Amino acid sequence: SQQGEEDPQALSIQEGENATMNCSYKTSINNLQWYRQNSGRGLVHLILIRSNEREKHSGRLRVTLDTSKKSSSLLITASRAVDTASYFCATALPMYSGGGADGLTFGKGTHLIIQP
Amino acid sequence: DGGITQSPKYLFRKEGQNVTLSCEQNLNHDAMYWYRQDPGQGLRLIYYSQIVNDFQKGDIAEGYSVSREKKESFPLTVTSAQKNPTAFYLCASSIVGGLSGANVLTFGAGSRLTVL
Repeated sequence: SQQGEEDPQALSIQEGENATMNCSYKTSINNLQWYRQNSGRGLVHLILIRSNEREKHSGRLRVTLDTSKKSSSLLITASRAVDTASYFCATALPMYSGGGADGLTFGKGTHLIIQP
Repeated sequence: DGGITQSPKYLFRKEGQNVTLSCEQNLNHDAMYWYRQDPGQGLRLIYYSQIVNDFQKGDIAEGYSVSREKKESFPLTVTSAQKNPTAFYLCASSIVGGLSGANVLTFGAGSRLTVL
């Protein structure tokens, strides 16, 4: 079953604007990760936030995590055409703290289109 | 360059045939995974392996088989028992364990299987 659900399913904005995507999940997690997928390609890891963290930054990316609401958001500032892609959140269950490798659970993704 | 190589990139199969998708990594990662992605959907875990000669079923293992005879290789066989095999298949790998317990995945470019 899907653990993470992204919102919105699709988002179209003008170049230079900020893009915000949200992810909700159902059970307790060890960490939450965001990945990007360009059309027809594999996924690329963007950023990881642990359950005891509330916010992380990486370049133009800002991720927040609210474990009480079981939700996360990904903000891309000053969007560029190259940001056009699908963005997925993925959750790692608490059993990972022991070093397990059960695989991440992915949402269905947000398809982001940056208009020139 | 370190990475994951999937082959073939495109594969066509007639109904009733088994096909094997190749996945090779030179990242020295212990864990390897196979995910399936359908249009507009997230990734669903098929099989994963933490060490050589050991693997576990994921959420949708029926109709698939894997082997892990070498650390670098994790081939996936799509058998004739798989009812809807047409999909995009993604292989990934990760470090197992470590202090963080986080499993950041490195993905291959994917293999697109079409059943005629």
